Amino acid sequence: EVQLVQSGAEVKKPGESLRISCKGSGYSFTSYWISWVRQMPGKGLEWMGRIDPSDSYTNYSPSFQGHVTISADKSISTAYLQWSSLKASDTAMYYCARRSWNYVVDYWGQGTLVTVSS
Amino acid sequence: EIVLTQSPGTLSLSPGERATLSCRASQSVSSSYLAWYQQKPGQAPRLLIYGASSRATGIPDRFSGSGSGTDFTLTISRLEPEDFAVYYCQQYGSSRDTFGQGTKLEIK
Repeated sequence: EVQLVQSGAEVKKPGESLRISCKGSGYSFTSYWISWVRQMPGKGLEWMGRIDPSDSYTNYSPSFQGHVTISADKSISTAYLQWSSLKASDTAMYYCARRSWNYVVDYWGQGTLVTVSS
Repeated sequence: EIVLTQSPGTLSLSPGERATLSCRASQSVSSSYLAWYQQKPGQAPRLLIYGASSRATGIPDRFSGSGSGTDFTLTISRLEPEDFAVYYCQQYGSSRDTFGQGTKLEIK
């Protein structure tokens, strides 16, 4: 069974750094890209970027390029989304999702809620 | 970047009725790489349709997708109570995916 299990909810202060994770299981982790999607409270889905775990090649949305870093450790089948300096506007639910063989996102993680507040 | 515009923003219908949701792209979507997702409160999105018209595994046949180029449609033939949710289209045919802003399907 394909599963993407994300790390737990985080509460951080503005200016702090953070890395959240997404562990894949039940499939060959290096064969499928992982995407990250943001959903701000009460708002829609925003595609942030994706990574090829086999070589860590990434694509970013222009809206997120330079604000976050997507990485992966294929040895432990885990992808990451990280911030070096959080802002209150980073408060959101973050989903990881698998990009299937035909390029569509087919499996989603359960989401990680990030709250940034002073 | 391809911009997707969904309409209407909110659709109020009754169970048993037919729902038609629209997704328009700012430029042609490559190879009909257009998907539809359903999201219920507190849940991750669920894939309904991919390739503009192919149903994902386990999706009831009351859900259908159509369209090509810049105009796409999701149709729910007879609404069931569990279908009331938010629906998003997504294009995934370019180097950067994008989502539409969503259509909320609510009970009338």
